[in-house]
Amino acid sequence: AQTVTQSQPEMSVQEAETVTLSCTYDTSENNYYLFWYKQPPSRQMILVIRQEAYKQQNATENRFSVNFQKAAKSFSLKISDSQLGDTAMYFCAFMDDSGGGADGLTFGKGTHLIIQP
Amino acid sequence: GAGVSQSPSNKVTEKGKDVELRCDPISGHTALYWYRQSLGQGLEFLIYFQGNSAPDKSGLPSDRFSAERTGGSVSTLTIQRTQQEDSAVYLCASSFSPGAYGYTFGSGTRLTVV
Repeated sequence: AQTVTQSQPEMSVQEAETVTLSCTYDTSENNYYLFWYKQPPSRQMILVIRQEAYKQQNATENRFSVNFQKAAKSFSLKISDSQLGDTAMYFCAFMDDSGGGADGLTFGKGTHLIIQP
Repeated sequence: GAGVSQSPSNKVTEKGKDVELRCDPISGHTALYWYRQSLGQGLEFLIYFQGNSAPDKSGLPSDRFSAERTGGSVSTLTIQRTQQEDSAVYLCASSFSPGAYGYTFGSGTRLTVV
């Protein structure tokens, strides 16, 4: 079984600063996908960024980028020029490709990110 | 619709009563997932539907939980004889393919068992 660990329960930074959220995972699989989801108080989980394990290039989406270290099983999220609207819970998630998605996503416990004005 | 729709948004029920939670996926999405989010357990995967295929029910927490998906579209999660430990947010998600490109989640149903 896979596990996903987010070691930072809560983080707080000033607006416009850069913040990095950490995530490590454990798996014996070689083909998988990693995701970061954002959950604001509205409860809806919003996909922030996605990484395919077979791609060495780190994924980027505007102000969001990841540092994917496959050998170290690490998948951190960097948010540049943080904005007040980035305040939310952030979840790291893992999906094993071998089951065709039937096993769903394995989530970490989440990091509560607070952006201070 | 434009997104995944879940109803009701909030539900308060008495212990021992049955509840039904509904999920309307995005039109055309063949994969549908149910998750439970609780303070103690985080996000737990419950069940996955692919089209009209029979789901794997092994992720359901107990035999009081059941789920169905009619016509490969709308899904209902039913909890019989609710217990206080069933209190949680139940999230539904859908996708075109089984999740490789990420899902679209609904806003969930907050269930409170009193």
